[in-house]
This record gives sequence, C-alpha cells and structure tokens, in this order.
Amino acid sequence: DTAVSQTPKYLVTQMGNDKSIKCEQNLGHDTMYWYKQDSKKFLKIMFSYNNKELIINETVPNRFSPKSPDKAHLNLHINSLELGDSAVYFCASSQLWEGYTFGSGTRLTVV
Amino acid sequence: AQSVTQLGSHVSVSEGALVLLRCNYSSSVPPYLFWYVQYPNQGLQLLLKYTTGATLVKGINGFEAEFKKSETSFHLTKPSAHMSDAAEYFCAVSVNTGNQFYFGTGTSLTVIP
Repeated sequence: DTAVSQTPKYLVTQMGNDKSIKCEQNLGHDTMYWYKQDSKKFLKIMFSYNNKELIINETVPNRFSPKSPDKAHLNLHINSLELGDSAVYFCASSQLWEGYTFGSGTRLTVV
Repeated sequence: AQSVTQLGSHVSVSEGALVLLRCNYSSSVPPYLFWYVQYPNQGLQLLLKYTTGATLVKGINGFEAEFKKSETSFHLTKPSAHMSDAAEYFCAVSVNTGNQFYFGTGTSLTVIP
C-alpha cells in the first residue's frame, strides 16, 4: 500500500488552464503539506494543513488554492496556469517528530 | 528563525570512498534534525533522524549522522560509497511543534566508478 499517493504523476497543460493535483495518505497522520520543487531541486513549502485546518500559508500566488476535505486528503487546485508554475509538486504528511513521508511527486509542465 | 545550510551543492566521490555531506543549522531552541534522499524522478525518502538521546544516529543504506550541538552540525557520512548512493540529499530541521520542516538547498552526490 502506498503511504502517500498523489495523482497525476505527470501533467502537461497549456497556459491559462486550470488543473488539480490530488493527494491521499493512509498513515493516519494529522498534518499534510504541499511543496514545490524547482529545477534546481530547491524545496519550497506552500501550504500545510493540520486535521483539515490551514496552518501554513506561504507567499504563493492566490491562483493556488488547497483544499482538505478530511485529514487524509489534501488537494491542490491551480487556476490560470503560467509558465513559471512548471515544477514538481510534492505532497507530504507527518505526525509530530516522525519526519515527513513524501508522495512520489507530480511533474507539472506548462506549455 | 531556523535555517539549514548544506555546504557543497555537488559532491563527487569514488566508489568505495568515504561519503561526507555537510549540514549546519541555525536554531534558537533544541532542533530535531533529518536527512532525506531523493533518487532521480522520485520523492524524498527519510534516511535518518535525530530527535533526542544518542547523538550518533544510524539510518538506512549504511548512512549515519552525528549531532554536534557545539558546532551546530549534523553531517551525513557513509564509510564506503556505492554506485546506488548517487542521489540528491537534503538536510532538514524542525522545532517547536514539528509541523514545519526547514530544508537545506540539497547536495547532489555523484559516485565515480
């Protein structure tokens, strides 16, 4: 069983489109995250939810909107996609000091 | 504020040689420290972590790291590099609630046959 699964794995879309990435964890963790990894491998936190409550909302364009219907799911919706949004997006979950468990990533390419 | 510095964005070692990846942190409170590995086109995988107790921690794949408070360091080592160790390595620090981790910029390890 995959602990943190995100779909799709690859996403190629045109500028201006709206897309969503889904994430689910079956670890029973209370906290979930979205990270963006750029072409230089730099990891930037975007959002964090603890038990469906938004606790971290970093400075990202408001075209990015997270949604957590329950503590096992955290989805990311992106409106009006731009070229600069091309990156790998990682979902992760954690429980206190256990460390993160990451999904395998979604490679978003905007053309 | 917390931060993590990884010295050397690229490190190359010969197969069988010692691997040493450096990580220094800045934290005003006792930190919790982690190393993650990212193989090509994969997500990040936890290698090892220091929370409390023994300052020398052992992880998967023969890696270990030592927490040195006086040096604010948490360097990652492996006695003998293997070709399969080629990957990107990230050091991370967490404080307070443990709900947010601060990642270093990563070190790309190349293993030369």
